[in-house]
Amino acid sequence: EAQVTQNPRYLITVTGKKLTVTCSQNMNHEYMSWYRQDPGLGLRQIYYSMNVEVTDKGDVPEGYKVSRKEKRNFPLILESPSPNQTSLYFCASSYSDSYEQYFGPGTRLTVT
Amino acid sequence: ELKVEQNPLFLSMQEGKNYTIYCNYSTTSDRLYWYRQDPGKSLESLFVLLSNGAVKQEGRLMASLDTKARLSTLHITAAVHDLSATYFCAVDSGNTPLVFGKGTRLSVIA
Repeated sequence: EAQVTQNPRYLITVTGKKLTVTCSQNMNHEYMSWYRQDPGLGLRQIYYSMNVEVTDKGDVPEGYKVSRKEKRNFPLILESPSPNQTSLYFCASSYSDSYEQYFGPGTRLTVT
Repeated sequence: ELKVEQNPLFLSMQEGKNYTIYCNYSTTSDRLYWYRQDPGKSLESLFVLLSNGAVKQEGRLMASLDTKARLSTLHITAAVHDLSATYFCAVDSGNTPLVFGKGTRLSVIA
């Protein structure tokens, strides 16, 4: 089944404790991206990747890192999480940046 | 800076009625997407509009794109309860990250 998976789906952590949210797709898509969704603000892009080893900042990259060492995986790293990073995070992938994106199920992160 | 505005943000409509959701954007673009999100769920792609005048239809939903007016519409025909969801448009100007509108929360009531 074609899908985008994210782990974990729910995470509660404390300020400053490094965490990684994994994202994997099995559709051989070149383009992958991360979004955060906050009430009243809609979805905002954090980082995106056009292909392996090619990443770029989105609209709200501060406090996040990404890597794209393999085509299928695009982890999101929070080196030192803060409460303002409490949000719902979505990973997405597509064949290129001009095609519809397939979204993962979301990761709800709470930073206390 | 690309800005995307959706109207209305909240819409309560009766079953069987027609209505239109509007998506305006501020800079030149010929790539626009519509997504649906059910409560507590992820986003599902509805339409991809890649050129001026593009029109796509799926069931009771029809989307169109007017790049000259920088406007896309999502028209709902004879609404049914199953269409209750939040609908997002997203615009790609080619030079900036994909920008989403704030979403239109649609509630279809009997």
